[in-house]
Amino acid sequence: DSGVTQTPKHLITATGQRVTLRCSPRSGDLSVYWYQQSLDQGLQFLIQYYNGEERAKGNILERFSAQQFPDLHSELNLSSLELGDSALYFCASSVGPPGQGYEQYFGPGTRLTVT
Amino acid sequence: EDQVTQSPEALRLQEGESSSLNCSYTVSGLRGLFWYRQDPGKGPEFLFTLYSAGEEKEKERLKATLTKKESFLHITAPKPEDSATYLCAPPYSNTGKLIFGQGTTLQVKP
Repeated sequence: DSGVTQTPKHLITATGQRVTLRCSPRSGDLSVYWYQQSLDQGLQFLIQYYNGEERAKGNILERFSAQQFPDLHSELNLSSLELGDSALYFCASSVGPPGQGYEQYFGPGTRLTVT
Repeated sequence: EDQVTQSPEALRLQEGESSSLNCSYTVSGLRGLFWYRQDPGKGPEFLFTLYSAGEEKEKERLKATLTKKESFLHITAPKPEDSATYLCAPPYSNTGKLIFGQGTTLQVKP
């Protein structure tokens, strides 16, 4: 158990809908990262936050947004869902700022299925 | 742009048959490497951080080594439970992004 929690574990929804994925980082970690992993694909970096501030964006679609709250938990919002958004979404956390050599610890993921 | 390449893409071993996985990279300002293990449908599990060329780290049957341009993950006498996808990523970057390689999927048959 990495100490990173994600809810829900599974989510099934229809095209056009909006969902919110939630992540709680490890105790003491200030950075949160979001990744997408489609079937048989690699980990694709989406976005990262450090102490509530957005630090970097990857190939995140405009339909997707995220934020990190004062208690350091983070939410990833996915809207106008398409079939191609079906994937595993992982959250990770680290104690220090992104890109500074701090190990990232991953949560168990949320499996999103869009029908 | 920073690029991380892992080889081979897939590796099948018999139980007890040792081998090595490779991670090579062209990364600006490279200092070190992360190795992770990922089981199907699960989040990546942190294995090692290597910070400088010549450094080695071990965990059970796994040994990671680092040169200036590449890293190897040596698997000695693997067991079926070592079957997983192994990922590498440079821990430092000018952009702050963690760029993972595509991974090597290891299958160890009993």
